[in-house]
Amino acid sequence: QVQLQESGPGLVKPSETLSLTCTVSRGSISGYYWNWIRQPPGKGLEWIGYIHHSGNTNYNPSLKSRVRISVDTINNQLSLTLTSVTAADTAVYYCVRHGHQWWTLEEGVDWGQGTLVTVSS
Amino acid sequence: DIVMTQSPVSLAVSLGERATINCKSSQSVLYSSDNKNYLAWYQQKPGQPPKLLIYWASTRESGVPDRFSGSGSGTDFTLTVSSLQAEDVAVYYCQQNYDIPLTFGGGTKVEIK
Repeated sequence: QVQLQESGPGLVKPSETLSLTCTVSRGSISGYYWNWIRQPPGKGLEWIGYIHHSGNTNYNPSLKSRVRISVDTINNQLSLTLTSVTAADTAVYYCVRHGHQWWTLEEGVDWGQGTLVTVSS
Repeated sequence: DIVMTQSPVSLAVSLGERATINCKSSQSVLYSSDNKNYLAWYQQKPGQPPKLLIYWASTRESGVPDRFSGSGSGTDFTLTVSSLQAEDVAVYYCQQNYDIPLTFGGGTKVEIK
C-alpha cells in the first residue's frame, strides 16, 4: 500500500510562506490525483486543492490566491506552498491520494499521518 | 460551494446500540449519468487521519465491518452503526466528491453512554 509522509517546518511566522512536502513511497505518483487537506486543531476538514501527475491543478476558491501545489514525478514528491499565512492557517496538513479521477474514491483513499503547522511569531 | 450539514454534533450511545448520523447537502450530489451519489463517510480517531468507510453513499470500503452502513440519495444521507463497539468511538465526517471544491460536514462525535 502506498505510504505518504508530510514534512516541513512546524512553525511559520505570520505573513510568511508555508511550504510542505509529501513524499510518496511504495507506489508511484503517476496516474493519480493528489490532494492537500487541512484540519485546524479540534476542528473540521478543509480541502485545499489537488494536483494530477500531469500537473493539472484545482484549488479551493477560498485559498486560490495564496496556494500553489506542484509535483515532482522524478522524486515522487508533492509540494504545497501557502503564502501570507495568518493564525487561521494553523492546522494539521494532510497529503491524500485519490484515484484516477479527482472524484474517484472507489480505488481507495490513502492519507498521510499529517503534519502540524503553527503560525505564530 | 456545496455546503454539508451534519447532525447531531455529538452522540452518546450504549454499547451494542444503534448510532445514526445525518448529513444534508445544499444541492444534490446524485450524478444523473451513472445514478451514483458522490457522498462519502470518514471515521477519524484521535491522533489519526480520517479513514474512508463508505463511498457512493452506501458502498462499504474493503475491510470495513458490516455494522457500518450508509443510505440516502440526492441531498439527504445517513450513516448507521448498527451495534456500537468501543472501537467505534470517533468523529465521523461526510464529504461530497460531486463538485469542486470538495467539502466536508462539520463532524459528529460518537461516544459511549
